[in-house]
Amino acid sequence: QVQVVETGGGVVQPGKALRLSCAVSGFSFSDYGMLWVRQAPGKGPEWVAVIWHDGISTYYGDSVKGRFTISRDTSENTVYLQMNRLRVEDTAVYYCVRDLGRLRFLGLAEYWGQGTPVTVSS
Amino acid sequence: DIQITQSPSSLSASVGDRVTITCRASHDISNYLAWYQQKPGKVPKLLIFLASALRSGVPPRFSGSGSGTDFTLTISSLQPDDVATYYCQKYNSAPWTFGQGTNLEI
Repeated sequence: QVQVVETGGGVVQPGKALRLSCAVSGFSFSDYGMLWVRQAPGKGPEWVAVIWHDGISTYYGDSVKGRFTISRDTSENTVYLQMNRLRVEDTAVYYCVRDLGRLRFLGLAEYWGQGTPVTVSS
Repeated sequence: DIQITQSPSSLSASVGDRVTITCRASHDISNYLAWYQQKPGKVPKLLIFLASALRSGVPPRFSGSGSGTDFTLTISSLQPDDVATYYCQKYNSAPWTFGQGTNLEI
């Protein structure tokens, strides 16, 4: 079955960097777009970054554009989120999610990992 | 960007009640509207896409309707297991915005 497992969260000071990893299994990784979605305490989900199945096209939410970078390693079936210049408002649980569409991105968050918490605090 | 407004923000109903949650887009999004359920302490779960298509395994008491700018999620007979926060989400184009959520209690 589809498995999505995030790692790399933690407590970090404002202005510092953190890299999240997401290991997936149970499906053909190169056929699906992958997303990072975050959810701050008591808030709704927010799309952070998307990488299409081809690994070429990406999308970033306005709040993280220029600071975060999404990438994928097909040989490792892993998605990464490099987060630089972190801010207090980036504090959230970060979920790695597989898109519903095979070979075409739909924008539907189908399979979610359990999330990894990121706390940005001095 | 297209804004998504979901209402009500919270709702209390009794077991067996018919429950309706609405979602309004500021511009036409055709039927590119999805609904998610997030139970307390759990991750969101995709329930409905294309405004009315139930994902496999979702109980038939859940239904979605609407197109253009106005959409509804209906639970025909509320069950205790339905306690959750429900989110709508547009996906016609980026940004794939979620609504603010509706906290459903029994």
